[in-house]
Amino acid sequence: NAGVTQTPKFRILKIGQSMTLQCAQDMNHNYMYWYRQDPGMGLKLIYYSVGAGITDKGEVPNGYNVSRSTTEDFPLRLELAAPSQTSVYFCASQGAANEQYFGPGTRLTVT
Amino acid sequence: TQLLEQSPQFLSIQEGENLTVYCNSSSVFSSLQWYRQEPGEGPVLLVTVVTGGEVKKLKRLTFQFGDARKDSSLHITAAQPGDTGLYLCAGEGAGGTSYGKLTFGQGTILTVHP
Repeated sequence: NAGVTQTPKFRILKIGQSMTLQCAQDMNHNYMYWYRQDPGMGLKLIYYSVGAGITDKGEVPNGYNVSRSTTEDFPLRLELAAPSQTSVYFCASQGAANEQYFGPGTRLTVT
Repeated sequence: TQLLEQSPQFLSIQEGENLTVYCNSSSVFSSLQWYRQEPGEGPVLLVTVVTGGEVKKLKRLTFQFGDARKDSSLHITAAQPGDTGLYLCAGEGAGGTSYGKLTFGQGTILTVHP
C-alpha cells in the first residue's frame, strides 16, 4: 500500500516553461487536493477534486490547471512557469473521517 | 475566508521542558486537525478533535478544542528531541462549500535541544 505518491521530487524550470506534477493514490479516495507550501505561510489550497471528472478551484488557482480522469490520478499542470510559482507542492487525498494523507512533495524552482 | 492564526511561529526549547502551541480563529470549524511535518516530507495527521471542549491525549501530547470550536491548543509535556518538527493546525469548514476543505495555520517550527 503506497498511499499518496508524487513525482518528480525536485524540478528546476526556466520562466515560461511548462510541466506536469504527478500525483497518485491507491486508497480509493474520492477527494484529492493540491497545495503549495511557502516558508512561513502554511499550506495554500490550489485545486481540489471530489471525484473523477470533477475539479474546482481553491484559494490560489491562478497559473495552474488540473484534471481528474481516474480516481487514482490527479495531475497538476503549470503552463507558463513564473518565479512566483517557486514552492513546495503537496498532493493529498482524504479518508472517510476527513483526515488527509499527504504525498512527499515536489520542490519546484523557477528561475 | 476562514483564517487560522497559529502561535508562536518559532519555539526553541531544551529537552524536558513543556510547551503549548495555539491555533485561533474568528470562524467556527466542524473539526480541527493537527499535523506534524518533518523536513522533506509531507504532513502527517496527529489527531482530529470534533466536539467543542474535547480533550485528546496522545502519549505526551494533549490536544484541546475550544468550547466554541474556534480555537485549539497543543500541549507537549517533557519535550524530546524527537518532537522537533513543524506543527500545523487545520480547520475543516463548517458545512456548505467548505465541507471537507481544510484551512491551515502558518505552522509552528519546534526545535527541542538535547
